Amino acid sequence: KAGVTQTPRYLIKTRGQQVTLSCSPISGHRSVSWYQQTPGQGLQFLFEYFSETQRNKGNFPGRFSGRQFSNSRSEMNVSTLELGDSALYLCASSPAGATDTQYFGPGTRLTVL
Amino acid sequence: KQEVTQIPAALSVPEGENLVLNCSFTDSAIYNLQWFRQDPGKGLTSLLLIQSSQREQTSGRLNASLDKSSGRSTLYIAASQPGDSATYLCAVRGNQFYFGTGTSLTVIP
Repeated sequence: KAGVTQTPRYLIKTRGQQVTLSCSPISGHRSVSWYQQTPGQGLQFLFEYFSETQRNKGNFPGRFSGRQFSNSRSEMNVSTLELGDSALYLCASSPAGATDTQYFGPGTRLTVL
Repeated sequence: KQEVTQIPAALSVPEGENLVLNCSFTDSAIYNLQWFRQDPGKGLTSLLLIQSSQREQTSGRLNASLDKSSGRSTLYIAASQPGDSATYLCAVRGNQFYFGTGTSLTVIP
């Protein structure tokens, strides 16, 4: 079975721009979670989606948003980028009924200049 | 708000040594605790999951313990190998996952 895939792997943007990151979960997984990882704050939970519905949201500003499609693929969007948004963005998928078992993708490295 | 702390932040040991990584959390109302491994440029891999009602879990050379009342967990790695070099993260599950900042482990051949 293919693992979790994230595209693109690397991205460079400038302040004020917006960005969309994509995550394809493992086939059959319906839950997708997003995390931001920075050297200073570590790994922080952004949001969780299950069957196209946001189930949980972390403590991030409204500039961070996401969605999930009927095929379980998920996207997250960051608008009006700030320098502090530079981070590794990780996506994880879980099978239904076992949301504690998370399979992580390799991440998207976002650099904001 | 749940705070998860890992000590030490970095550790360097010679091959073959046994070692212990520590994780502490402030809110004992958790569903479970997990230990993950992260290799450079890669995502996280789950190593061990301990439910809140359990005291420990073992997998091969790894043993993780949980003392929920004191807000502590340890990850014991026996007979360390160079391939164990990675960053180890603990995470507690409440209404969401809360991660520690990790321990960067280097095992010297």
